[in-house]
Amino acid sequence: SAVISQKPSRDICQRGTSLTIQCQVDSQVTMMFWYRQQPGQSLTLIATANQGSEATYESGFVIDKFPISRPNLTFSTLTVSNMSPEDSSIYLCSVVGGNQPQHFGDGTRLSIL
Amino acid sequence: QKEVEQNSGPLSVPEGAIASLNCTYSDRVSQSFFWYRQYSGKSPELIMSIYSNGDKEDGRFTAQLNKASQYVSLLIRDSQPSDSATYLCAVKTGGNEKLTFGTGTRLTIIP
Repeated sequence: SAVISQKPSRDICQRGTSLTIQCQVDSQVTMMFWYRQQPGQSLTLIATANQGSEATYESGFVIDKFPISRPNLTFSTLTVSNMSPEDSSIYLCSVVGGNQPQHFGDGTRLSIL
Repeated sequence: QKEVEQNSGPLSVPEGAIASLNCTYSDRVSQSFFWYRQYSGKSPELIMSIYSNGDKEDGRFTAQLNKASQYVSLLIRDSQPSDSATYLCAVKTGGNEKLTFGTGTRLTIIP
């Protein structure tokens, strides 16, 4: 299956700032997704990253807060904007491609002070 | 109503015994079902997928699917301490590859 590299692996940020998380895959994939996992919780889908067009957001998530780019079939970014302590979570990139089920990168552990 | 439900646990099982994890889903048109294992501080790792009614075995793991009852389970035979983790059930409905996750069951294998 495709190897997913997610950066940064963790960060501590000040409230009101923004952070961009990168997801790089070693092969072209059909679908890329971004999830959030809040402490002690399960995974919640933020959006589907669409190649060359605007992401498709799930209910409760908006582009102004979580802008997403996917310029090609192997790379995507998620920005967490104007961060507050409630944004402290693990953010996960996942991919589908090559007849393989969805699998995940190592995640970004984000803490907001 | 939650779309995918799991008993959150914790579920404690003696080493060497069979661990049984259960998951129910609400959408009858769901087509594909997955079990992910997540160790503390790590990302989810796919361990089993099942698409048709019946059992699917892979080593010590067996996934069972009953679409009529909207029920999917994971059995872990000869449980090992390394099996201690949170197990997430995920369901795919439709052709868009999106998954809905349950809340996860925390499993502890007792040596």
